[in-house]
Amino acid sequence: DARVTQTPRHKVTEMGQEVTMRCQPILGHNTVFWYRQTMMQGLELLAYFRNRAPLDDSGMPKDRFSAEMPDATLATLKIQPSEPRDSAVYFCASGLVSGLSGNTIYFGEGSWLTVV
Amino acid sequence: SQQGEEDPQALSIQEGENATMNCSYKTSINNLQWYRQNSGRGLVHLILIRSNEREKHSGRLRVTLDTSKKSSSLLITASRAADTASYFCATGYTGANSKLTFGKGITLSVRP
Repeated sequence: DARVTQTPRHKVTEMGQEVTMRCQPILGHNTVFWYRQTMMQGLELLAYFRNRAPLDDSGMPKDRFSAEMPDATLATLKIQPSEPRDSAVYFCASGLVSGLSGNTIYFGEGSWLTVV
Repeated sequence: SQQGEEDPQALSIQEGENATMNCSYKTSINNLQWYRQNSGRGLVHLILIRSNEREKHSGRLRVTLDTSKKSSSLLITASRAADTASYFCATGYTGANSKLTFGKGITLSVRP
């Protein structure tokens, strides 16, 4: 059963520390998304990649967040330095998206981040 | 903003009743999708309706789309306690940079 895999599932870290979240998209999917979910803001799109190329990272605080896709099987989201306001659930999602077809995406179970 | 806005924010019904949830959006879309999120889990795709479709069914789910009013509704018939979850609408756009934009969700509670 193909699924998006995210690690770690839970992370508690101290303010100022670097946090790296990893995602393995579903094999064959050409688009990978990073979303952040909080009670106040709901689901925010941070960044997404098409065929490993970054398409849009306008939702991401550039000074501390970075997203990369070193190969087709791995996407990373890094926060350095982390701050308490970064506490949220970070979701990776992948999909096979084309210009004409519907773009259903599949979510991982999320990385629950707490910055103290 | 391009994101959909769901209504109501929260809905509580008795098992067996129907649940109707609404979504409105602002700009032209290629498709609209509904997702479900159980507590502590990721979102799961439920159904997709394209802009040239008016109604779609999947099991106990019925989705309608009115592009003239820029709105959609999700109807869950004969609800079950297991339907308790948050429901999100997501609007999709055409083009090379197509992406999905989510609303803030509706919390549905189905009382046994």
